[in-house]
Amino acid sequence: RKEVEQDPGPFNVPEGATVAFNCTYSNSASQSFFWYRQDCRKEPKLLMSVYSSGNEDGRFTAQLNRASQYISLLIRDSKLSDSATYLCVVTDSWGKFQFGAGTQVVVTP
Amino acid sequence: GAVVSQHPSRVICKSGTSVKIECRSLDFQATTMFWYRQFPKKSLMLMATSNEGSKATYEQGVEKDKFLINHASLTLSTLTVTSAHPEDSSFYICSAARTSGSNYNEQFFGPGTRLTVL
Repeated sequence: RKEVEQDPGPFNVPEGATVAFNCTYSNSASQSFFWYRQDCRKEPKLLMSVYSSGNEDGRFTAQLNRASQYISLLIRDSKLSDSATYLCVVTDSWGKFQFGAGTQVVVTP
Repeated sequence: GAVVSQHPSRVICKSGTSVKIECRSLDFQATTMFWYRQFPKKSLMLMATSNEGSKATYEQGVEKDKFLINHASLTLSTLTVTSAHPEDSSFYICSAARTSGSNYNEQFFGPGTRLTVL
């Protein structure tokens, strides 16, 4: 079983719509959680950290469910520029980053 | 935010040659840097943790004699792919951690190096 699993998508989303997707992790001792965004053939860039109480950054909302061992990302009012692959990152007990394979989002006009 | 550079951004080489990739933290000192590899449509896989002034720590399955890592200063780590073969073709990405110790919560990624071995 993979440490971090994501639905690869693609999620095809009309511009202005809302899209949400999850990421599950297997290590209950995981310490920190992040969502990164990766554009095609580029490096990952931090989108937001995920806090236990959930957090919001503009149109992006992240949630953490420790009991069920998943995190989620919701994007409201999708823009064409939101098209990317969203990587779930979980740190293990040593603090090392464990990446998911990513969820592809395609926002269409 | 912190800036990490990588050089070269792209390299094409013949099978059997060695390729060196540099990773630099431009505006902060990084005692720890990480080297990842990413195959198409796959997740980033940690290859090794590079610590300034000491030997790198390699992940299971990564050959340390094939992927030589040197972290000679607080702003530079290098990865040398020795005797490269076509199966080494991949996207190599480094990251630099701003904090030392066991908390690697702040990692800043370089732009990556796309290696193609013919």
